[in-house]
Amino acid sequence: DIVMTQSPDSLAVSLGERATINCKSSQSVLYSSNNKNYFAWYQQKPGQPPKVLIYWASTRESGVPDRFSGSGSGTDFTLTISSLQAEDVAVYYCQQYYSTPYTFGQGTKLEIK
Amino acid sequence: QVQLQQSGPGLVKPSQTLSLTCAISGDSVSSNSAAWNWIRQSPSRGLEWLGRTYYRSKWYNDYAVSVKSRITINPDTSKNQFSLQLNSVTPEDTAVYYCARGGSWPLAPWGQGTLVTVSS
Repeated sequence: DIVMTQSPDSLAVSLGERATINCKSSQSVLYSSNNKNYFAWYQQKPGQPPKVLIYWASTRESGVPDRFSGSGSGTDFTLTISSLQAEDVAVYYCQQYYSTPYTFGQGTKLEIK
Repeated sequence: QVQLQQSGPGLVKPSQTLSLTCAISGDSVSSNSAAWNWIRQSPSRGLEWLGRTYYRSKWYNDYAVSVKSRITINPDTSKNQFSLQLNSVTPEDTAVYYCARGGSWPLAPWGQGTLVTVSS
């Protein structure tokens, strides 16, 4: 199984400041035949299912604000929120869909400082 | 747009079978590109993918090793839905269960979630 490890486990950032979350996979999720990383970021708010923010490591889902961006390739990935808003308080998860069993990171809880 | 609506009981007795259904609108369970997944979430195990069913000229299933001996995911083409059955449940199977569409893309959308408690 591909193990996904996020850091940090929790993060407190001031409103308007940058938030950065990292995720490392135990093996590459880059599919060489199409040069796509089968990697996504999700946001989960209390009482709701996870919602995809970023897929193919750096493509924003329709409707997701452009303050959210994803980067990285292979085994190392980053989610950046450029200017934290109050509504961004949530738990963020990374996930690989390169191979089954699909696996998720343990989550990063993002709070306002 | 695609929507998934889950149904099923929220309380199951130990050793019995957990059964949930996910009704699909805006897509087909027989789609040649989508896959239909079940995931669960608990404080102790986090987000755990359980398995999927998909159609590529015939029906296929993939299951997580952790539940492979106890799980069945079945499509129902007449009702455009798919189901989860988990046998011989224990309190460790207490979790919020989600269905979700996947394929060669991330899991989206997700059902609303069903909290299933295993207790006598």
